[in-house]
Amino acid sequence: QSVLTQPPSVSEAPRQRVTISCSGSSSNIGNNAVNWYQQLPGKAPKLLIYYDDLLPSGVSDRFSGSKSGTSASLAISGLQSEDEADYYCAAWDDRLNGWVFGGGTKLTVL
Amino acid sequence: QVTLRESGPALVKPTQTLTLTCTFSGFSLSTSGMCVSWIRQPPGKALEWLALIDWDDDKYYSTSLKTRLTISKDTSKNQVVLTMTNMDPVDTATYYCARGYSYGGGLPDYYFDYWGQGTLVTVSS
Repeated sequence: QSVLTQPPSVSEAPRQRVTISCSGSSSNIGNNAVNWYQQLPGKAPKLLIYYDDLLPSGVSDRFSGSKSGTSASLAISGLQSEDEADYYCAAWDDRLNGWVFGGGTKLTVL
Repeated sequence: QVTLRESGPALVKPTQTLTLTCTFSGFSLSTSGMCVSWIRQPPGKALEWLALIDWDDDKYYSTSLKTRLTISKDTSKNQVVLTMTNMDPVDTATYYCARGYSYGGGLPDYYFDYWGQGTLVTVSS
């Protein structure tokens, strides 16, 4: 059971928009920045969003992040087949004094 | 160009101690705001954070694994070493090292911007 809760899977058609949620608590998302990682099949994770809503250099602006209270969201617009991957949210947890990850969400582009 | 590479045994026996080395280039772990973290992923499962060592030699460990983990760094060799004692089959996973950077100079604001390719460690007799 992960400290951060994500839906196990989401699916949407190409060119559409999808949102992935990440629910936490006051000790993690509610008080610290959220980062999102994309993991393509068989590959290492890649930083997608940092500090809640910032895009690293080279990441498509089809990806966006937001946060409200103890929940965060990742949105992907203009879905493409190459977006099929597992997506993880992460945040520092003040109570556990360590990083916590979500359980991951598998995105399927129909 | 930042790169990280994990190395260590692919197979360990139950109760043995695992030693993994992360060799990196393109940054210095003595620079303020930098850290290296270990994260693992059992086959088909989610990412799990294990440990972190920062530029100031501060160390942080997963609460659930704290008694079994030790992280250290050799700045001159650009290496970070993780040891995990008393290995069990449930510890079978791909182990990643990742660089963390913080604009604020430290916790809790790190984000892991560069990752190694990972090394699969199987625990079996």
